[in-house]
Amino acid sequence: GQNIDQPTEMTATEGAIVQINCTYQTSGFNGLFWYQQHAGEAPTFLSYNVLDGLEEKGRFSSFLSRSKGYSYLLLKELQMKDSASYLCAVSDNQGGKLIFGQGTELSVKP
Amino acid sequence: EAQVTQNPRYLITVTGKKLTVTCSQNMNHEYMSWYRQDPGLGLRQIYYSMNVEVTDKGDVPEGYKVSRKEKRNFPLILESPSPNQTSLYFCASSLPGQGIYEQYFGPGTRLTVT
Repeated sequence: GQNIDQPTEMTATEGAIVQINCTYQTSGFNGLFWYQQHAGEAPTFLSYNVLDGLEEKGRFSSFLSRSKGYSYLLLKELQMKDSASYLCAVSDNQGGKLIFGQGTELSVKP
Repeated sequence: EAQVTQNPRYLITVTGKKLTVTCSQNMNHEYMSWYRQDPGLGLRQIYYSMNVEVTDKGDVPEGYKVSRKEKRNFPLILESPSPNQTSLYFCASSLPGQGIYEQYFGPGTRLTVT
């Protein structure tokens, strides 16, 4: 079956670093995505990994290990505006199907 | 401005009354997709389209229809809505020539079926 797991909730302190993990079991793999969704808004794209390793983009980094079915999103120098839900999603071999995890609700506290 | 638009943004309807939610993008994207978002279940893909006249089922297609007669539009049709289709619906599109890559989401349509 297809399954993507991520923690439901996380709390972190402003200025700190937080790592949000995502594990997946899918019939195929054509890339892993991270999206950010603020309450009441649409998701917005953060990162895309298709090869193993770390992709860095400003305060956000995403890591992928295809052999372990594992990814993480690393957020540095946390700001209050980073309080949001973070969605992990996997594209299967067909390229058109996208499976999302339930999302991780991150609360950043002063 | 590059964007994905959805209409209506909010809709309350009754069981069995056919409705259409429109989705339009002005970025010349080939890929478009519909999702529903429910508490505790996350985003689930309903249908997607890799290009004009090419559509495929996602994970939860039952009770929905789509069409892709032109590149910019991808309407979602509920022929006979039921209360279990009450949800928040998002349309999304993706950069041309790259399958699914960075998806741009519309603002969402909150549908209530009574």
